[in-house]
Amino acid sequence: GENVEQHPSTLSVQEGDSAVIKCTYSDSASNYFPWYKQELGKRPQLIIDIRSNVGEKKDQRIAVTLNKTAKHFSLHITETQPEDSAVYFCAAHNAGNMLTFGGGTRLMVKP
Amino acid sequence: SAVISQKPSRDICQRGTSLTIQCQVDSQVTMMFWYRQQPGQSLTLIATANQGSEATYESGFVIDKFPISRPNLTFSTLTVSNMSPEDSSIYLCSLNTRGLRFDEQFFGPGTRLTVL
Repeated sequence: GENVEQHPSTLSVQEGDSAVIKCTYSDSASNYFPWYKQELGKRPQLIIDIRSNVGEKKDQRIAVTLNKTAKHFSLHITETQPEDSAVYFCAAHNAGNMLTFGGGTRLMVKP
Repeated sequence: SAVISQKPSRDICQRGTSLTIQCQVDSQVTMMFWYRQQPGQSLTLIATANQGSEATYESGFVIDKFPISRPNLTFSTLTVSNMSPEDSSIYLCSLNTRGLRFDEQFFGPGTRLTVL
């Protein structure tokens, strides 16, 4: 089955700096890659996603890139703000119509 | 997106008892899923709740421990049976609103279960 690795597990940045979280996946048939943000005590919220027919997608300060050949995708947050502090999960959607999640990254943005 | 509610939001239960968690959606959805999130961990899929048929369980999860019902396209239940402290987790229902493959999944607010 699918295996998704996520790095780093924790990331601390200064407000205004950029943050990058990277994920790799194993199943070459996976073709949908969402990113979720989970604040403390809250449900995971979908923040951006990318499908395998594109290499990059951007939404304001958030961007995601996908390299299907290398089977990795990344989340980029620019101009980080304290409210970006949360746990971020990447996921890969495989042919079995299921999401497999990475282990999560705890992002801390210091004011 | 659909409005998803779960009941109860949290519970504290005794070892050996069972708890049934309800997930209600305000519109008909094709696919509903149940996830477990252990403290400080990622999300693990328990099963896909199939309307009108038996749920499809992932490796490591069995029907006797986690029976699931899905009587219609807006409602599902997950029961955690014969609980032990290791079952202490957040349980989340999730759904795919458009009924398409490879589409967005949205999560309910979760049920925080503590087993003593």
